[in-house]
Order: sequence, then structure tokens, then C-alpha cells
Amino acid sequence: AQRVTQPEKLLSVFKGAPVELKCNYSYSGSPELFWYVQYSRQRLQLLLRHISRESIKGFTADLNKGETSFHLKKPFAQEEDSAMYYCALSRGYSTLTFGKGTMLLVSP
Amino acid sequence: GAGVSQTPSNKVTEKGKYVELRCDPISGHTALYWYRQSLGQGPEFLIYFQGTGAADDSGLPNDRFFAVRPEGSVSTLKIQRTERGDSAVYLCASSLNGGVTDTQYFGPGTRLTVL
Repeated sequence: AQRVTQPEKLLSVFKGAPVELKCNYSYSGSPELFWYVQYSRQRLQLLLRHISRESIKGFTADLNKGETSFHLKKPFAQEEDSAMYYCALSRGYSTLTFGKGTMLLVSP
Repeated sequence: GAGVSQTPSNKVTEKGKYVELRCDPISGHTALYWYRQSLGQGPEFLIYFQGTGAADDSGLPNDRFFAVRPEGSVSTLKIQRTERGDSAVYLCASSLNGGVTDTQYFGPGTRLTVL
């Protein structure tokens, strides 16, 4: 069975501090992993996907198959990064299995 | 262009009643998904349409839940004999082709409250 685990419900940091949002997964096949973000009063939207190996808004995520992790990182947090972040795994036909989410709060 | 829209934005109903939730996907998107998000949880997959057909309905919790997409665009999620445990935000998403790496575009959701 596929499962996505985000161990932290809330991560609180100060502006300019590094951020790491943890995501671990269990999946028997070759995973496709994503990070989705939901800003206050906005809809859920894609932040980045591992296959693109891209950096969006300063965020990066590296797939570590040995540790079955896909942690989201940013070297210097900004106040506008405050949002709910969801790690997700594609379960075939592109349907997604989501983690429970981590609220990131960046204080000035 | 217009994004995914969902109506109503809020629905309050009584236990045992029937409800319909509507999703308008982005024009031209062949893939449509329904998810349910309970309080404190991430979205949970319900059903996936490719065109008019349900390609994967393995997430529907029981036979009280049913969804249609008769013309390959608008979809309706139907819940019979609602229960208090059905209270959640129901999210719809669409993607261009349903490819594994396709971006899914989400609607604002319908908040269903069963009293």
C-alpha cells in the first residue's frame, strides 16, 4: 500500500532561517513525488515535482530512494512562504496519495 | 483562463438527505479527479475520470457515493443517505491528459456539513 508521512503538523521558523519540511513515503514501485502548497484563502496548487528537478520560489526537493524521503528545503525562509504544505505520491493513473500536511509559519 | 470551479461552495444538509456536488474542470482537460479532505487530514482520493468513464473509483468509500461525467466535462458527485461522517471539504481537480506527471489543478472545494 502507498503511504505518505509528514511527521510535523507545524513548523515555525524566523524569516531568513533555513526550512526543511519532511516527507517519507512507502511505495513498491517507482515513485512520482510532488509537493503541493495551499496559501491562506487560496486553493491547493502544485509547488514542484521531483521529475522536473526544478527550484520554485527558492524551494527544492530531492528524492532519496534509499531513505524513501522527499524533503522540501529552502535556505532562507520568507514570510510569504507561510502556508500549508502537502507531500503527495502518484498512485498510478496520476491519482495522488497525500500526506496530512505541515503548516509552515514564518515569523518576522 | 478560468480555473476549476465547484458549486456550491458550502452545503449544509441533514443526516439521511441526498446531495449533489458539481465540478467544472478547465476547458480541454480530459482527466478529472475527486478528493475528500477531512479536518486535519490531507486530500483523500475518491474517483478519477478519463473522458466520460471512471478509470479508477477505488477511493469511493461505499455505495452511497457515486459520480458521473456524462459529456466528458462537468462532473457531479452524488451522495445518498448522508451521514455525519461525510462532513468534509470535497475537492475537484483536473489535468490535461491524466499523465502521471501532469499537473493537477484544484478547485476551491465544496464544504459539506451533515447535521
